[in-house]
Amino acid sequence: QKEVEQDPGPLSVPEGAIVSLNCTYSNSAFQYFMWYRQYSRKGPELLMYTYSSGNKEDGRFTAQVDKSSKYISLFIRDSQPSDSATYLCAMSATLSGGSYIPTFGRGTSLIVHP
Amino acid sequence: SAVISQKPSRDICQRGTSLTIQCQVDSQVTMMFWYRQQPGQSLTLIATANQGSEATYESGFVIDKFPISRPNLTFSTLTVSNMSPEDSSIYLCSVAVPQGWVGYTFGSGTRLTVV
Repeated sequence: QKEVEQDPGPLSVPEGAIVSLNCTYSNSAFQYFMWYRQYSRKGPELLMYTYSSGNKEDGRFTAQVDKSSKYISLFIRDSQPSDSATYLCAMSATLSGGSYIPTFGRGTSLIVHP
Repeated sequence: SAVISQKPSRDICQRGTSLTIQCQVDSQVTMMFWYRQQPGQSLTLIATANQGSEATYESGFVIDKFPISRPNLTFSTLTVSNMSPEDSSIYLCSVAVPQGWVGYTFGSGTRLTVV
């Protein structure tokens, strides 16, 4: 079993839909949970991060962490064609050697069609 | 956050040859990270490059295959040596700025195809 599981998709939705992206994990030591967005031929960019359990909202994006279920989600409201990208979840435990080394999911390819 | 320039952006190489990828950061950082992203796979950390010391390699990656240089606090290179088609992948460098920040900044990546 991989430490982080993420369905690669693709997930295709119409413009304006609510999108739900999810990851599950097995390592209970993970404390920091991130979502990255990666456009084609670009590097990943940090979209949101959450510490421990709970929700965090930023504009149309909401990140949710349920540590009891080892399950994290990213919701995108009013999705736009410009949201079409690959979304990678990432998680890390405590600081080690001066850095948090994240473990990444495989990424979910999202396509928002007009 | 930081700005990372990575080059080349892509290359097609013959098997048995080597390719050196360069990564330039616009601020001084203690640690730089090199990742591999294979199709359909998760980002995998190859090694951590520290200025002034040997790079630290993750399990499954060795210095002879992926030698790394880190001559100063803003620059690093990763060489993919004696390439085979299995090395075809996207290679990315990354930093965490400020140091200790949980979020990483990535370069645009080098798309390598070995034929």
